[in-house]
Amino acid sequence: EAQVTQNPRYLITVTGKKLTVTCSQNMNHEYMSWYRQDPGLGLRQIYYSMNVEVTDKGDVPEGYKVSRKEKRNFPLILESPSPNQTSLYFCASSRTGGLGSYEQYFGPGTRLTVT
Amino acid sequence: GNSVTQMEGPVTLSEEAFLTINCTYTATGYPSLFWYVQYPGEGLQLLLKATKADDKGSNKGFEATYRKETTSFHLEKGSVQVSDSAVYFCALRETSGSRLTFGEGTQLTVNP
Repeated sequence: EAQVTQNPRYLITVTGKKLTVTCSQNMNHEYMSWYRQDPGLGLRQIYYSMNVEVTDKGDVPEGYKVSRKEKRNFPLILESPSPNQTSLYFCASSRTGGLGSYEQYFGPGTRLTVT
Repeated sequence: GNSVTQMEGPVTLSEEAFLTINCTYTATGYPSLFWYVQYPGEGLQLLLKATKADDKGSNKGFEATYRKETTSFHLEKGSVQVSDSAVYFCALRETSGSRLTFGEGTQLTVNP
């Protein structure tokens, strides 16, 4: 089954304690992306990757890091989480090209709370 | 830059009512347009899409037409069901890119 998986689904942590949210896709997609969803703001892009070893900042990259060492995985790293990073996070993947018409497939989300 | 504006929510309807959720966009070139749906506790799923002017996307009784002259992509359904209760996101994707730009989302609640 084609899917994007994220782990963990729920996480409560404390300020400053480094954490990683994993994302994996089994569709051989080149493009992967992280979003955060906050009430009234829709989804905002944090980082994206066009392919292995190619990453770039989205709209709200401050406080986050990513890496793309393998095509299928795109972990999101919070080196020193703060309460304003409490949010619902989504990973997504898609093919590239195709005049921008390819859909993005989304993971189930990770609910992060930083106290 | 690109932007997407959706009608303010939440929207509450009775079963079998007609639904319209407005979406307008600002973009350079000729973007592809999408509607995604998010059911409670789940990730986003593609509902429908349109890739060029005057295209109509449709799925599960929902429709939206790509109107370049009004830069709009309004979502419609003739008769909503309780199971349609969800958050709906309008989004665009540039012709040459992979990045999606989302609207704020519209919460729809359908009562029996």
